[in-house]
Amino acid sequence: EAGVVQSPRYKIIEKKQPVAFWCNPISGHNTLYWYLQNLGQGPELLIRYENEEAVDDSQLPKDRFSAERLKGVDSTLKIQPAELGDSAVYLCASSSEGSTGELFFGEGSRLTVL
Amino acid sequence: QQQVKQSPQSLIVQKGGISIINCAYENTAFDYFPWYQQFPGKGPALLIAIRPDVSEKKEGRFTISFNKSAKQFSLHIMDSQPGDSATYFCAASKKASGSRLTFGEGTQLTVNP
Repeated sequence: EAGVVQSPRYKIIEKKQPVAFWCNPISGHNTLYWYLQNLGQGPELLIRYENEEAVDDSQLPKDRFSAERLKGVDSTLKIQPAELGDSAVYLCASSSEGSTGELFFGEGSRLTVL
Repeated sequence: QQQVKQSPQSLIVQKGGISIINCAYENTAFDYFPWYQQFPGKGPALLIAIRPDVSEKKEGRFTISFNKSAKQFSLHIMDSQPGDSATYFCAASKKASGSRLTFGEGTQLTVNP
């Protein structure tokens, strides 16, 4: 069974440029999460989707961050414009309804903003 | 607000020793407490989890001890091996499935051969 797939794995951009990250969750997982992980810290939730509905986006900086999960499967997280402080790893995770609660994480997209 | 506090930040243990990582939480509504393991360049992966109706859960060399009254839980790694060297995160959520998982800041474990 394929795991959570994220791309790109690495991205280097100049500040003020836009960037987008893509995530394909495990097949059949209806819940999708985007987490932000700063160096040396634990992941912090940005947004959680139940199917195509964003049910928890209270921590998403909506002035520059946006996300979508149009068909309830894969998802895109966008930052526009990027700032120096956005340099971090963006993790995508998925889980299935009624599961034990385990989140399955992708390997992450590491963003460096210069 | 830091809802899950983890210590120590880093830990060095000799092979065969016991590694102990502690976490404390504030929100009494939390009722699911997993530990995740993360290797460099990889995403976190679930190691073991506990619910507050039991005080201890053991899976192989890994044990969670849970103290509901103190709002604390800990991970014990028995017979620590170099392959256990990784970053460990405790976490908590209000229910097991489909809710916000709040992570601690992580403990970088190094097991020397």
